[in-house]
Amino acid sequence: GEDVEQSLFLSVREGDSSVINCTYTDSSSTYLYWYKQEPGAGLQLLTYIFSNMDMKQDQRLTVLLNKKDKHLSLRIADTQTGDSAIYFCAATGGGNKLTFGTGTQLKVEL
Amino acid sequence: GAVVSQHPSWVICKSGTSVKIECRSLDFQATTMFWYRQFPKQSLMLMATSNEGSKATYEQGVEKDKFLINHASLTLSTLTVTSAHPEDSSFYICSASAPASGNIQYFGAGTRLSVL
Repeated sequence: GEDVEQSLFLSVREGDSSVINCTYTDSSSTYLYWYKQEPGAGLQLLTYIFSNMDMKQDQRLTVLLNKKDKHLSLRIADTQTGDSAIYFCAATGGGNKLTFGTGTQLKVEL
Repeated sequence: GAVVSQHPSWVICKSGTSVKIECRSLDFQATTMFWYRQFPKQSLMLMATSNEGSKATYEQGVEKDKFLINHASLTLSTLTVTSAHPEDSSFYICSASAPASGNIQYFGAGTRLSVL
């Protein structure tokens, strides 16, 4: 089955850019997602990208997809303290099931 | 984006009792709802997929008699943890999707279950 991996932790300074990376194994995944989870809360959909796209930009968020290497990244420009959270990447499989990565905890320091 | 409401947000119960968690899609009709479990500092584990009007499909290792799922309408799915035990304590999160919304999964805020 699908396996999705992420680095566990990222620390950046306020105002810098953050780049969170993700790799997946199933090349047939049609959609790839980024979700944000704050402590004790559910998941907030940040953005998603179709597998036939290379890049998607939405305000401060830029998603890059390298389908050949099965590598997905999320760049957050001008990172703020409110961006501190856990970020999950997820890939679709059969039956529209999502396989989630381990989550990357982003810490934004002043 | 679509709104999914989950209730209650936090529940404490005694061992041996049953607990029901509700998941509602507030502004769209969800043909499919998913139930996940999340342990502290871990990722989400899919427990089951439910389609409106049919039996839920459980993932391997998830006891269907323990975790009863009902998806009686296009806006409501319920998860009942029967005869709860301390090891069932966890964070349970639901999501809802529909073809009209590109089958994107929108998540509820989660329910923290503590079994004493």
